[in-house]
Amino acid sequence: DGGITQSPKYLFRKEGQNVTLSCEQNLNHDAMYWYRQDPGQGLRLIYYSQIVNDFQKGDIAEGYSVSREKKESFPLTVTSAQKNPTAFYLCASSIMGGVDEKLFFGSGTQLSVL
Amino acid sequence: GENVEQHPSTLSVQEGDSAVIKCTYSDSASNYFPWYKQELGKGPQLIIDIRSNVGEKKDQRIAVTLNKTAKHFSLHITETQPEDSAVYFCAASIRNNDMRFGAGTRLTVKP
Repeated sequence: DGGITQSPKYLFRKEGQNVTLSCEQNLNHDAMYWYRQDPGQGLRLIYYSQIVNDFQKGDIAEGYSVSREKKESFPLTVTSAQKNPTAFYLCASSIMGGVDEKLFFGSGTQLSVL
Repeated sequence: GENVEQHPSTLSVQEGDSAVIKCTYSDSASNYFPWYKQELGKGPQLIIDIRSNVGEKKDQRIAVTLNKTAKHFSLHITETQPEDSAVYFCAASIRNNDMRFGAGTRLTVKP
């Protein structure tokens, strides 16, 4: 089955620790995205990438970093600089990143601070 | 930038009744308006979308209407079923990679 796989499903971060969330897609999509979801709020864009080895900041990129070394993979690192990392993180992809393209989402990673 | 407001935040209906969720947007340049459904513990899934050159679109029990003049769009679900219970998000998009989401509506359909 084609789709987006996020892992782990649950992740705990200690003070001062960097953690990496995995996102893999086998849809052959060029564009990939990371969104943050907080209770009672809409999805907010952290980073996006439309091509390998290139990515752009979204609205809330501070404290996060990404890489896009392969078309299929777009891992997100939550650094110690992110002071409020507890949230549900969603990875998504679309064919090319066009304005009216359907977003395909993974099942998410819940990150909590110990 | 674009701002999307969504109402109500929670909605409870009896099975078989209709449900309506409304969204407003601020930027008249927005031209694509999707609706996503998110079930518990899962990522959102697109259920219907509408483009700015269309006023209404229907897919079985789901319909979306768009009023460009008033800058608002609505999701209508008829003959609701318990499996329609989920969180629904509206969104508006102006350009590539600039989709803005509403805060979501938690719909509960009571059997």
